[in-house]
Amino acid sequence: GESVGLHLPTLSVQEGDNSIINCAYSNSASDYFIWYKQESGKGPQFIIDIRSNMDKRQGQRVTVLLNKTVKHLSLQIAATQPGDSAVYFCAEKRGSYIPTFGRGTSLIVHP
Amino acid sequence: NAGVTQTPKFRILKIGQSMTLQCAQDMNHNYMYWYRQDPGMGLKLIYYSVGAGITDKGEVPNGYNVSRSTTEDFPLRLELAAPSQTSVYFCASSTSGTGYNEQFFGPGTRLTVL
Repeated sequence: GESVGLHLPTLSVQEGDNSIINCAYSNSASDYFIWYKQESGKGPQFIIDIRSNMDKRQGQRVTVLLNKTVKHLSLQIAATQPGDSAVYFCAEKRGSYIPTFGRGTSLIVHP
Repeated sequence: NAGVTQTPKFRILKIGQSMTLQCAQDMNHNYMYWYRQDPGMGLKLIYYSVGAGITDKGEVPNGYNVSRSTTEDFPLRLELAAPSQTSVYFCASSTSGTGYNEQFFGPGTRLTVL
């Protein structure tokens, strides 16, 4: 079946470094992608999204890149801070279908 | 706005007991969802609703029931609790299922079945 998955279950970085979290998807019909951040003991929280007609979208300290050729999505966090430590999920969606979530990547930021 | 609220935050059940997990949203969202999250895993969809009076099964509906009598509320019912239902349950809502819109999640209910 078609699915969304993450390459790395855990990513450790030093404070101040840039972080890159990757996500692979297999459904070429997906037209909307969302990144969520889930802090310990809390529900997922929206970070940034991107539509399939875009390659890049920037937010505050975060950038999402979409490569439709290889069906790859990445989340870049600039100047990573201890408060960025969390699990990050990507989700894909196509049309009216319910979003599908990947397993998640745990980001650990060391001071 | 309070957003999406869930009660209780924690609950311990004995095998065979029943309970209802409450979820409410004050954003006038049409779509609401229930997910479960097992340790170290992603979110699995249990049930969802596209509006009052309309519900549908997700990926893992067995052992659960839902109802949607109002736009605001979407309770999840466990009739005969089993240890396999030990998980963290998240409720979410969105403006619609179509188009480009994110889901808003509640804080979760941590359920343990012993």
